[in-house]
This record gives sequence, structure tokens and C-alpha cells, in this order.
Amino acid sequence: AQSVTQLDSQVPVFEEAPVELRCNYSSSVSVYLFWYVQYPNQGLQLLLKYLSGSTLVKSINGFEAEFNKSQTSFHLRKPSVHISDTAEYFCAVATGFQKLVFGTGTRLLVSP
Amino acid sequence: NAGVTQTPKFQVLKTGQSMTLQCAQDMNHEYMSWYRQDPGMGLRLIHYSVGAGITDQGEVPNGYNVSRSTTEDFPLRLLSAAPSQTSVYFCASGGGTEAFFGQGTRLTVV
Repeated sequence: AQSVTQLDSQVPVFEEAPVELRCNYSSSVSVYLFWYVQYPNQGLQLLLKYLSGSTLVKSINGFEAEFNKSQTSFHLRKPSVHISDTAEYFCAVATGFQKLVFGTGTRLLVSP
Repeated sequence: NAGVTQTPKFQVLKTGQSMTLQCAQDMNHEYMSWYRQDPGMGLRLIHYSVGAGITDQGEVPNGYNVSRSTTEDFPLRLLSAAPSQTSVYFCASGGGTEAFFGQGTRLTVV
């Protein structure tokens, strides 16, 4: 069975500072990896995903994540955050393009 | 383009009452699923369906029932509500590469 660990429940950061949200997974088979974002009182939206190919994947709003098979990690990074990035971020793993298993989430708090 | 529609958005139930959370999608996805979200626990899979007439249990199925008579609809039934079922419930349409989530139902059981 797959599992996902997000060690940081909350990450406070100042606007325009860099940020990294950590995600580690465990699986005995090949996996597909995802980051979802949840803004207050909303559902989840797909931020970016790794399926195959280049291990560095990017979102349209400046986030990127790198799949590291040897360290079983898929950390999310952004070089300069905005107030509008304040949200909860969930790392997830799937096999066979179907069932998603989520981590416990990391709340990113961006302050001026 | 509605995507995934969940109703109701909010609900308060008394212990022992039953209710159905509705979920409808217009994207013709075969795979649909229900999750509950609790503070500090992320999203946990309750039940899922790989197509009309086919459902299976997820991680936390106890106290919940589902059926899938059409591709579009995937209702979640609470048989006898308990305070432990107070949570935010999300329906998702599509699998890992194309999962779309509804806006959620915030359920309180008193």
C-alpha cells in the first residue's frame, strides 16, 4: 500500500521569500505524484503532477516540484511567494491513474 | 460547465439520523470517489467507483453506503449519523491524472 508523509503541518513565510513544502512517499510499485492546493472554503485543485519523463515539473503560477526516486520525495518549491499563495497544500500518490492517497497537508501562511 | 456538483453545502444532523450527500459530474468520468477531510488527517478515501454498478470500499468505509446507478451520479449515504462523522466531505470525479473535486459538504452531527 502507498502512503504519503508531509512532515510540516504549517509553514509561515514572509512575502517574496522562498518556500519548500516537503513530501515523502512509500510504495512498492511505480507511482504517480501530485500536489493539490486548497484555498479557504473551497475544494482541491490540481497544482502539478509527475507521471513520467522529466523529474522536474512546474505549475503555471511559479511552483515546481522534483521527483527524487532514491529519496522517495516530491518536494514543492517556489522561489518567491505571494500573499495569494496562502492555502493548504496536499501531496498525493496514485497507482494506475486511479486511487489517490493523500498526505495530511501543509498550511502555507504568507505574511507581508 | 458545472464539473462536479455537491449538495448540500452545509448540513446539521442529529445522532441517529440518516441522510444522502449528492454528487453529480458532467465530464463522463468512469471513476468517482468520496473523501472525508478532518483537521490534521488530510483526505481519507471512504468509497470509490470505477463505473456504473461497481463500487468498492476505501480506507474508512464504516457507517457509509454508496451506489452507482448512472455514470453521472455517485451519492453517499450515512446510515445512522454519529458525532464521529462530523467532517467535510468531498466528492471527486476522475482518477489520479484528472481528478476534479466538488466544493465540499460540511456536515455536523450533534
